[in-house]
Amino acid sequence: ETGVTQTPRHLVMGMTNKKSLKCEQHLGHNAMYWYKQSAKKPLELMFVYSLEERVENNSVPSRFSPECPNSSHLFLHLHTLQPEDSALYLCASSQALGQGYNEQFFGPGTRLTVL
Amino acid sequence: SQKIEQNSEALNIQEGKTATLTCNYTNYSPAYLQWYRQDPGRGPVFLLLIRENEKEKRKERLKVTFDTTLKQSLFHITASQPADSATYLCALNTNAGKSTFGDGTTLTVKP
Repeated sequence: ETGVTQTPRHLVMGMTNKKSLKCEQHLGHNAMYWYKQSAKKPLELMFVYSLEERVENNSVPSRFSPECPNSSHLFLHLHTLQPEDSALYLCASSQALGQGYNEQFFGPGTRLTVL
Repeated sequence: SQKIEQNSEALNIQEGKTATLTCNYTNYSPAYLQWYRQDPGRGPVFLLLIRENEKEKRKERLKVTFDTTLKQSLFHITASQPADSATYLCALNTNAGKSTFGDGTTLTVKP
């Protein structure tokens, strides 16, 4: 276990549904991240939060909406998704932002399938 | 634009041999380079970090080299075991902490 948990582990949803992914880190880290991992493609950084403030949004469609209520929790709210959004969504945390030597600790991911 | 390439999507070797994985990059000046291991259905796990002013780093059976002139990192696993079978990702980091990942190389070690 890396100290980062994600729920649910698997999610199947229709294009008109609204769902949320949850991430919790027990490491006392200040930075949290959402990544998308599709088959045969590199990890794509979606959002970065530092001390509960969003510091990066990598041109992610508005149908993905992140929320960071405190430094231990991160959510990704999903609505009106497309089939091409099906992927593994990974949450990660690191001690702080602005320190390139900090490794990231990843959760197990949520496997999302959009029908 | 920045580009990271990891050698062949899949690498198959015999148990006991040394596995060598390559990470090449262009249009990038990373301050740090990290290697992660990812098993199926799991998130990546950090293995090693090497700084731009370091040539080599070792940890048990793992060795990483970093050549900023060639813009390349090599990741070696000596005395490989079937348990080393996984996908290995390289990640380039700026001083600001932004990471860019390669698409990984899947290593299979056959007994």
